[in-house]
Amino acid sequence: QVQLVQSGAEVQQPGASVKVSCQASGYSFTHYGISWLRQAPGQGLEWMGWVSADTGNTYFTQKFQGRVSMTKDTSTTTAYLELRNLKFDDTAIFYCARDVGNFGLFDTWGPGTLVTVS
Amino acid sequence: EIVMTQSPATLSVFPGESATLSCRASQSIGRNLAWYQQKPGQSPRLLISSASTRATGIPARFSGSGSGTDFTLTISSLQSEDFAVYYCQQYNNSPPWTFGQGTKVEVK
Repeated sequence: QVQLVQSGAEVQQPGASVKVSCQASGYSFTHYGISWLRQAPGQGLEWMGWVSADTGNTYFTQKFQGRVSMTKDTSTTTAYLELRNLKFDDTAIFYCARDVGNFGLFDTWGPGTLVTVS
Repeated sequence: EIVMTQSPATLSVFPGESATLSCRASQSIGRNLAWYQQKPGQSPRLLISSASTRATGIPARFSGSGSGTDFTLTISSLQSEDFAVYYCQQYNNSPPWTFGQGTKVEVK
């Protein structure tokens, strides 16, 4: 079955960086993009950006430009999110999601990775 | 950026009754709207895409309607497992993709 498995929870200090992984299985990895989203404690969902699992092309929202990288490794069917210069309000659960058709529809989600900035 | 507004913020419903959730877009998005369900401690689950197409495995008691700027999710005969937070999301034309703030459906 289609599955996304994410790396474990992290605690980082302000100013540090965090890298979250998302390993895909059960489908042809390069046929779908991977989007990254986050959810602050008790808050709603925020889409951060997208990486093409085929070409590696990316799109980030303006809010995160300059501070975020999204990459992929086809050999391990894994996508990565790196967020730099962490701030206290970056504390959130970060989700990866399979992007159907690469147009912003998310049919499978990872379990989430809690990143605490403290 | 397209702003999505959901109402109400909280909906209190008796089990077995129906619930109607609303979502409004700040500009026309055609039918490029999805609904997700999120239970505590879980990741969101896709319920509906293209405003009214149920995702695989989603029960028929979930139905979506609308186009343009106004959309509705109806849950008929609420089951215990349906009490959750529901988000609408637009995916019209080009990013950024945006979500409503969510509607919590709780037991009355």
